Amino acid sequence: AQKITQTQPGMFVQEKEAVTLDCTYDTSDQSYGLFWYKQPSSGEMIFLIYQGSYDEQNATEGRYSLNFQKARKSANLVISASQLGDSAMYFCAMREPNAGGTSYGKLTFGQGTILTVHP
Amino acid sequence: DTGVSQNPRHKITKRGQNVTFRCDPISEHNRLYWYRQTLGQGPEFLTYFQNEAQLEKSRLLSDRFSAERPKGSFSTLEIQRTEQGDSAMYLCASSPRGAEQYFGPGTRLTVT
Repeated sequence: AQKITQTQPGMFVQEKEAVTLDCTYDTSDQSYGLFWYKQPSSGEMIFLIYQGSYDEQNATEGRYSLNFQKARKSANLVISASQLGDSAMYFCAMREPNAGGTSYGKLTFGQGTILTVHP
Repeated sequence: DTGVSQNPRHKITKRGQNVTFRCDPISEHNRLYWYRQTLGQGPEFLTYFQNEAQLEKSRLLSDRFSAERPKGSFSTLEIQRTEQGDSAMYLCASSPRGAEQYFGPGTRLTVT
């Protein structure tokens, strides 16, 4: 079963507008972490934002915010005031404990969403 | 530059040859991860080191793959008898104590 699902293969947004990238996840653990990474065409994965499963407030980092809805198991990324440089692949990822209950921190990634920002 | 570095950035090899990649993590990050990313997919976990100990390996890591982190600093990933299916981007990441992971630029492997 897919642990991380990103249902939008591609998204388009006009420069300066906001865009929401969807992510749903599947876990039976109570303690987990959710991450968003950006991967430009150069290939490097850039960390954007993190949300812990026990965090009550939605995470924010500059123009990025994470809309965390625990009951629905969704962790959508909201990018406000899009810029041309935001055009990239975006990955949602989850960190969860191992079967033994320890947490080595390995990430499970979704398939990604390609975001294109139009001028 | 104090980020994660990986060498080489690109490697083209013939099927059956052995290749070795190197990853230098951010200094003082005790956790180091290897991932593999094929075209159009998200990265997939391969293996994890805490200091010099290899604590977890994915089933994706066949017997032809071996990874080391001999002194708890840099790490190497070796693929023996490469196959065309090994063609991918190999990403290394490091983190301090299970926080967010910082990725290197990756090594793109092409097996002809």
